[in-house]
Amino acid sequence: DTGVSQNPRHKITKRGQNVTFRCDPISEHNRLYWYRQTLGQGPEFLTYFQNEAQLEKSRLLSDRFSAERPKGSFSTLEIQRTEQGDSAMYLCASSLVPDYEQYFGPGTRLTVT
Amino acid sequence: GQNIDQPTEMTATEGAIVQINCTYQTSGFNGLFWYQQHAGEAPTFLSYNVLDGLEEKGRFSSFLSRSKGYSYLLLKELQMKDSASYLCAVGDNTDKLIFGTGTRLQVFP
Repeated sequence: DTGVSQNPRHKITKRGQNVTFRCDPISEHNRLYWYRQTLGQGPEFLTYFQNEAQLEKSRLLSDRFSAERPKGSFSTLEIQRTEQGDSAMYLCASSLVPDYEQYFGPGTRLTVT
Repeated sequence: GQNIDQPTEMTATEGAIVQINCTYQTSGFNGLFWYQQHAGEAPTFLSYNVLDGLEEKGRFSSFLSRSKGYSYLLLKELQMKDSASYLCAVGDNTDKLIFGTGTRLQVFP
């Protein structure tokens, strides 16, 4: 069990560019969650998958955001046409149903200049 | 609506006991979670309560009252390494977590 990993750990991009983040969950975990956290706030839910099916998306997730989990293992989160307001820490977590505990990865810190 | 309230900051002395309160109003409830988050790091799981009462785990205990929409995290024998943010979160009826803003705890010698 190597834990949840995320890449890259840091990303600096210019406004208008597209970015993609990757999350590798704990192996055999069937649920994968994406959250966003800004300074001084708790994480906010963005979306989650059970296996390869995307079961829920937050209303916070505009059309510029898309997430995939093609084979039910790793997941990618893409942000198109980034805006300065997208600057945040993007956290991935995984869990094994029926356990409720979510294990978080180290996050990807995005800075949009 | 979804609302989770916890104090923004708390301070305490090494060796002391501190209680961090959390009140919640959510449309669904599948348990109350506490996570610890050190600056720049990922949240790490501390406790989970789904039934009323106290759950004890070493120096940390967590309490839940579902009828009052209230929980607290109790930290005993505080150590300097306990300086961190403590996040209260509710698991809703689809099992996603709804977090409060977190309580930043500073432990002084």
